[in-house]
Amino acid sequence: EPEVTQTPSHQVTQMGQEVILRCVPISNHLYFYWYRQILGQKVEFLVSFYNNEISEKSEIFDDQFSVERPDGSNFTLKIRSTKLEDSAMYFCASSLLGTQNTGELFFGEGSRLTVL
Amino acid sequence: KQEVTQIPAALSVPEGENLVLNCSFTDSAIYNLQWFRQDPGKGLTSLLLIQSSQREQTSGRLNASLDKSSGRSTLYIAASQPGDSATYLCAVEGGSEKLVFGKGTKLTVNP
Repeated sequence: EPEVTQTPSHQVTQMGQEVILRCVPISNHLYFYWYRQILGQKVEFLVSFYNNEISEKSEIFDDQFSVERPDGSNFTLKIRSTKLEDSAMYFCASSLLGTQNTGELFFGEGSRLTVL
Repeated sequence: KQEVTQIPAALSVPEGENLVLNCSFTDSAIYNLQWFRQDPGKGLTSLLLIQSSQREQTSGRLNASLDKSSGRSTLYIAASQPGDSATYLCAVEGGSEKLVFGKGTKLTVNP
């Protein structure tokens, strides 16, 4: 069964370092997303991406964050200068139709980021 | 701003029991509602998607209902099993290609 894959599963970094989290969405999907979950808290939307551009972003997604689809298969989230409060589980998701077209969202297993 | 609330926060039941998880949302103008399962330290597994025009969806022992006008959804699990132990998350499509999540209900099914 097709699935969303994420790497790395866990990354530990020092505050101020750059981090890139990688995702391979389901191959025929057109909409891509990043969400995050701080330990014990709700899953929060970060950004949605369609047709090679950001379609929506939350207030969390400030200038320290960027997303890219460098080729036909990967979707990356970059955090330029990590802060302690960026420690969280980051989930990539993809959808064929997009949530506004009642498309189902499929999530990866997550990348746990620990900032020291 | 859309807010999603799930009650109860935690639930412990004996194996075989039927149970209901509740989800409420503040803005009824939604495109769809999705229920997910999350195992500890793992990703989210989609269980059921209910479109705004639908009243319910069923998959195996799971049945989800949606009452958009009152801002409520329920997830019914029949004949619960220990393998059903997980956190169940409700999420609504809050406009502009984003889901708004509840905090979840942590379910424990005791053998």
